[in-house]
Amino acid sequence: QVQLQESGPGLVKPSQTLSLTCTVSGGSISSSNHYWSWFRQPAGKGLEWIGRIQTSGSTNYNLSLKSRVTISIDTSKNQLSLKLTSVTAADTAVYFCARDLSGWYGSDYWGQGTLVTVSS
Amino acid sequence: QSVLTQPPSVSGAPGQRVTISCTGSSSNIGAGYDVHWYQQLPGAAPKLLISGNSNRPSGVPERYVGSKSVTSASLAITGLQAEDEADYYCQTYDSSLSGYVFGTGTKVTVL
Repeated sequence: QVQLQESGPGLVKPSQTLSLTCTVSGGSISSSNHYWSWFRQPAGKGLEWIGRIQTSGSTNYNLSLKSRVTISIDTSKNQLSLKLTSVTAADTAVYFCARDLSGWYGSDYWGQGTLVTVSS
Repeated sequence: QSVLTQPPSVSGAPGQRVTISCTGSSSNIGAGYDVHWYQQLPGAAPKLLISGNSNRPSGVPERYVGSKSVTSASLAITGLQAEDEADYYCQTYDSSLSGYVFGTGTKVTVL
């Protein structure tokens, strides 16, 4: 069974860069049939897709975040990473990584999520 | 700001049937893109309930039924159970935004 686990600092200062890692176990991140996505959810609010990456390095980003987001993949470590620059309080949220079915067919495995708070 | 519109809440007694609607536009559902549905229990990650409008992943009970029409989609829960109390989100691809978009979310309450 595929499992995903997010990790990274729980507190980031305004204007700094948020960096998170997602470690995949029980399956290879190198599968050509899947993309790997990042999502976020502010407390009490809905879900927002941040972007995704395929093992080839091909990426898709939420246009509203594209200028600040970088998603990368490290197949040797079975990990994907998220970097979000110039954060503000509006970036405070629970961040999830997930495995996407091929194409745009939804995400079938999710990490438990990690809370990132932006505050000085 | 969510691109897909869902009712904020629906409720029903145990055993009843409830339906959640998801209304989109010509750049997403109306363009023919598939709709997916997620269940999110309090404090948990979303769980994929329906993929590709009406397909249930392995392990998802047959009580969950997805359907799609021209610019909208629906999730029906039949034989409502206490464990169905959760938030539900629809998701699809939007060609104007070039990525996934979500619905506003619906809270299901079992009376």
